Amino acid sequence: DGGITQSPKYLFRKEGQNVTLSCEQNLNHDAMYWYRQDPGQGLRLIYYSQIVNDFQKGDIAEGYSVSREKKESFPLTVTSAQKNPTAFYLCASSIGAYNEQFFGPGTRLTVL
Amino acid sequence: KNEVEQSPQNLTAQEGEFITINCSYSVGISALHWLQQHPGGGIVSLFMLSSGKKKHGRLIATINIQEKHSSLHITASHPRDSAVYICGADGLTFGKGTHLIIQP
Repeated sequence: DGGITQSPKYLFRKEGQNVTLSCEQNLNHDAMYWYRQDPGQGLRLIYYSQIVNDFQKGDIAEGYSVSREKKESFPLTVTSAQKNPTAFYLCASSIGAYNEQFFGPGTRLTVL
Repeated sequence: KNEVEQSPQNLTAQEGEFITINCSYSVGISALHWLQQHPGGGIVSLFMLSSGKKKHGRLIATINIQEKHSSLHITASHPRDSAVYICGADGLTFGKGTHLIIQP
């Protein structure tokens, strides 16, 4: 079954700790995206990658980092520099830039 | 930076009604995306369109490139259509969503 997976579904961390969210796809898609969703804010782009070993900042990249060492994987690290990290994080992929996106189930991060 | 606005923010209607959700954007784009998000958070892509009109079942999406405006229509609405509908410019900048409730 082809798809996009995110793990874990729920994640709790203490303030000041870095945390890495996993995103994996087996759709052979070149492009991958990370979004953050807060109540009333809609989806906001954190980072996106159009090809392996390349990625671009989105609108709210401060306090986040990514890597794209493999086509299938696009992990997101929420660093201690992110002022308000508690949110719902969604990963997506598409065959190429600006194409139809397929979304993972999301990870709900709570920083205590 | 593209600014994407959706209206209405909230919409409650009776089963069977014709629903229209509007989306406008400020900068020319390659494609306009419509997404559906159900309670629980899962997101499904409904349409991606760069011109004209697309139809899938009871859902119809239109776009006017000159006006920088798109609409999503739902015919014969049903309670299972209750969800948040989100439009996005090039899949990079999204509106805040329209929360739709269809009452039986």
